[in-house]
Amino acid sequence: AQSVAQPEDQVNVAEGNPLTVKCTYSVSGNPYLFWYVQYPNRGLQFLLKYISGDNLVKGSYGFEAEFNKSQTSFHLKKPSALVSDSALYFCAVGENAGNMLTFGGGTRLMVKP
Amino acid sequence: NAGVTQTPKFRILKIGQSMTLQCTQDMNHNYMYWYRQDPGMGLKLIYYSVGAGITDKGEVPNGYNVSRSTTEDFPLRLELAAPSQTSVYFCASRTFRLETQYFGPGTRLLVL
Repeated sequence: AQSVAQPEDQVNVAEGNPLTVKCTYSVSGNPYLFWYVQYPNRGLQFLLKYISGDNLVKGSYGFEAEFNKSQTSFHLKKPSALVSDSALYFCAVGENAGNMLTFGGGTRLMVKP
Repeated sequence: NAGVTQTPKFRILKIGQSMTLQCTQDMNHNYMYWYRQDPGMGLKLIYYSVGAGITDKGEVPNGYNVSRSTTEDFPLRLELAAPSQTSVYFCASRTFRLETQYFGPGTRLLVL
């Protein structure tokens, strides 16, 4: 069975500061990992994904994530947060032999001016 | 391309009523998914399909049914609506197994 954990319900950061949203996963095979963002009353929007290759993945809006196999983590990062980054962020994991993604519970990011 | 579209946007049902949530994608994607998102929670997979005529249960299928007669459409049927089915429902699609899922805008359902 596959699972994903986002240990923080909310992350608060000041505008201009770096941000990190944490994600750890568990799969029996090779993982593939996604980050999505959800703005109020909207569907999920894709940010970035890791399938294989370089452990540092760059995505939309200046976000990046680092795949760490030994720690089974895929933390989302951004060097300088914007107020407009405030939203709900979801990490998702799948197994490359499977058809389904499993989503974490989400982390609310609050960026204050 | 319109992407993934869902109708209706919002609906109120009485307990015991039934309804169909519509989902259509115009990207010729093979895989389609139905999720529900409860307040303050993540997404739970209800049903999915890997192609026309093929459907399978996800994590929380009870109380729901699906069909996939065409590549484009993947309706979700609620029979005998219950308050526990109050949620926001998202449809998603993707081309292949490892590719990105694209989500629709969601249907907000309230069962009273």
